[in-house]
Amino acid sequence: ETGVTQTPRHLVMGMTNKKSLKCEQHLGHNAMYWYKQSAKKPLELMFVYSLEERVENNSVPSRFSPECPNSSHLFLHLHTLQPEDSALYLCASSQEKLAPLNTGELFFGEGSRLTVL
Amino acid sequence: AQSVTQPDIHITVSEGASLELRCNYSYGATPYLFWYVQSPGQGLQLLLKYFSGDTLVQGIKGFEAEFKRSQSSFNLRKPSVHWSDAADYFCALGSYNTDKLIFGTGTRLQVFP
Repeated sequence: ETGVTQTPRHLVMGMTNKKSLKCEQHLGHNAMYWYKQSAKKPLELMFVYSLEERVENNSVPSRFSPECPNSSHLFLHLHTLQPEDSALYLCASSQEKLAPLNTGELFFGEGSRLTVL
Repeated sequence: AQSVTQPDIHITVSEGASLELRCNYSYGATPYLFWYVQSPGQGLQLLLKYFSGDTLVQGIKGFEAEFKRSQSSFNLRKPSVHWSDAADYFCALGSYNTDKLIFGTGTRLQVFP
């Protein structure tokens, strides 16, 4: 296993369901991110974790709940979502929090395509 | 406000033709600029970056980009496109004010044989 791995790749859920997205990085990085990618919109940064501590929460609704149990794993817990939450959710990692600005090196997973019915 | 604009939503070129994808930015200081590529079903991958110095930067896969401060632009170019270049391309700006990467909306490149 190399890079950043996300599961599941596709998820369909009802508005009353509870599900979780999982991300695992095998790069030894210290920072992990959740991004939301919607059609015709810029990537939206949702959460940033640095050394397992949440350092950024960009006004994301509470129906999205992140969890970072260790530096290699990141979860996004989902509950009572809305249809407008349907999107591609991308996990990324970097050596440290400012690395994307210093080097541009932000390593992305393939994403989890979420559809909320 | 800091922002990145990619004016072209969708571009179609023939294989072997040259390519230029446009990116304009708004930033009060010297920008750190990046181009990422997202192939179908994949995450984003860094193509190239500009921090300072030479305004023409080389990246992977034969891509290059030129920083033009007077035009607030950072356009991506490739002299001869291959079918495997079909993907979504994102320009991004590094903002130390917010410690974030600010992404554009992306340009989808389609390549015809």
